[in-house]
Amino acid sequence: AQRVTQPEKLLSVFKGAPVELKCNYSYSGSPELFWYVQYSRQRLQLLLRHISRESIKGFTADLNKGETSFHLKKPFAQEEDSAMYYCALMGSRGSTLGRLYFGRGTQLTVWP
Amino acid sequence: DAGITQSPRYKITETGRQVTLMCHQTWSHSYMFWYRQDLGHGLRLIYYSAAADITDKGEVPDGYVVSRSKTENFPLTLESATRSQTSVYFCASSEGRPTQGNIQYFGAGTRLSVL
Repeated sequence: AQRVTQPEKLLSVFKGAPVELKCNYSYSGSPELFWYVQYSRQRLQLLLRHISRESIKGFTADLNKGETSFHLKKPFAQEEDSAMYYCALMGSRGSTLGRLYFGRGTQLTVWP
Repeated sequence: DAGITQSPRYKITETGRQVTLMCHQTWSHSYMFWYRQDLGHGLRLIYYSAAADITDKGEVPDGYVVSRSKTENFPLTLESATRSQTSVYFCASSEGRPTQGNIQYFGAGTRLSVL
């Protein structure tokens, strides 16, 4: 069955420190992976997706099929990065086709 | 992002009452979705719709009803609200089938409390 695991509910770092938000997935097909972010009092928005191979707001994420991971990284965290981050998987076949499955989220706090 | 709006933003109701949450998008997106967001569960799909008059169940459909008579509207109804339905509800839409590279855009959410 498809599953997205974000092991850390809370993550705190100081400004300027590197940050890594972990995401592991379970899916028997070839999923598409996403990171969504929700800033305080704002709507959920797409941060990045693995097929784009982009760096958004300094964040990158690499899909590691061997480890079934899609960790989100930023070398130097900023206070404005404080938000809730969700890793999501999109199914690619059968009843999961086109559906997003979210992890439980990681609340990132960047201290000044 | 302003193209998808949810109303009301906040709602308090009592157990057993019927509640309808509205979702409206101005992009003429084909696909629309309803999620609920709960601490410890992240976002879970309730229902989705691929087009007008086409709806399908998600992970947690029990206790909810949807309709899609017009492309731009996708209301979610709690027929008899229960305390377990206290949650934040998000509506989303995408232009086409998500697997074809179409991104889902989310509304601002409706915070529902069932007393």
